[in-house]
Amino acid sequence: GQQVMQIPQYQHVQEGEDFTTYCNSSTTLSNIQWYKQRPGGHPVFLIQLVKSGEVKKQKRLTFQFGEAKKNSSLHITATQTTDVGTYFCAGRSSGAGSYQLTFGKGTKLSVIP
Amino acid sequence: DTAVSQTPKYLVTQMGNDKSIKCEQNLGHDTMYWYKQDSKKFLKIMFSYNNKELIINETVPNRFSPKSPDKAHLNLHINSLELGDSAVYFCASSRDFGSGETQYFGPGTRLLVL
Repeated sequence: GQQVMQIPQYQHVQEGEDFTTYCNSSTTLSNIQWYKQRPGGHPVFLIQLVKSGEVKKQKRLTFQFGEAKKNSSLHITATQTTDVGTYFCAGRSSGAGSYQLTFGKGTKLSVIP
Repeated sequence: DTAVSQTPKYLVTQMGNDKSIKCEQNLGHDTMYWYKQDSKKFLKIMFSYNNKELIINETVPNRFSPKSPDKAHLNLHINSLELGDSAVYFCASSRDFGSGETQYFGPGTRLLVL
C-alpha cells in the first residue's frame, strides 16, 4: 500500500532559526496536503499542492511539491515560538480508485526562545 | 459555531467495558472519518463514510463499529476495550471524497483504558 514517510521525526531549533520537514511517498501523488497540530490540539489544514513543481508561500512558510509528485517539503523561515507543533504531510495516490489520504508520521517542532 | 464536534472530550474507563464516541459536523459535508492517534502522534485512518455509506475500513479490530445515522453524524462504538485502545480519536469531515478535499478535524476524544 501507499506509504508516506516524513523526516525528521523531531526538530529542536533556536527561535529565529529556519526549519524544514520533508515528505516522501512510495507512489506518485495526485496532491499533497499539509496540516499543523498544536500541542493538545487537533490537526488543522495549512495548504494543498496539486501541480508538479508547485511552490506556495504563506508568510514565513514555503511549501514545495516535487517535479515527480512524490515528495514535498515545508520550510519555515525565522521560526517563532508560535510555530511549535507537529507538522503532518498527507498525500493521496494518483492511482485509479485511490481514495485514502495517507498521513506521514509528522515532524514535531520545538522552538527554544 | 463548532464545525466538527466530538463527545466526550475525555474518556477514562476500565478494560472490558463498552464505550461510544459521538461526532457531529455542521459543515454540510458528505464525507466523515475516524482517525486514531497513538502516543507517538501517528495518525491512522480507521473508517470513512460517504453519504452514510462505509467506503474505507482499514484493518481495525471488529470490536470497533462505526455508525452513521445521517450525513452529519458518525459515531464510533468500541466493545471490550483493551489497554492498547488508549489513544486520541479524531473525527474529521470533508466536503466529499474527491482527491482535493480538505479535511476538518474535531477536537479529539482522549481515551484512557485502565
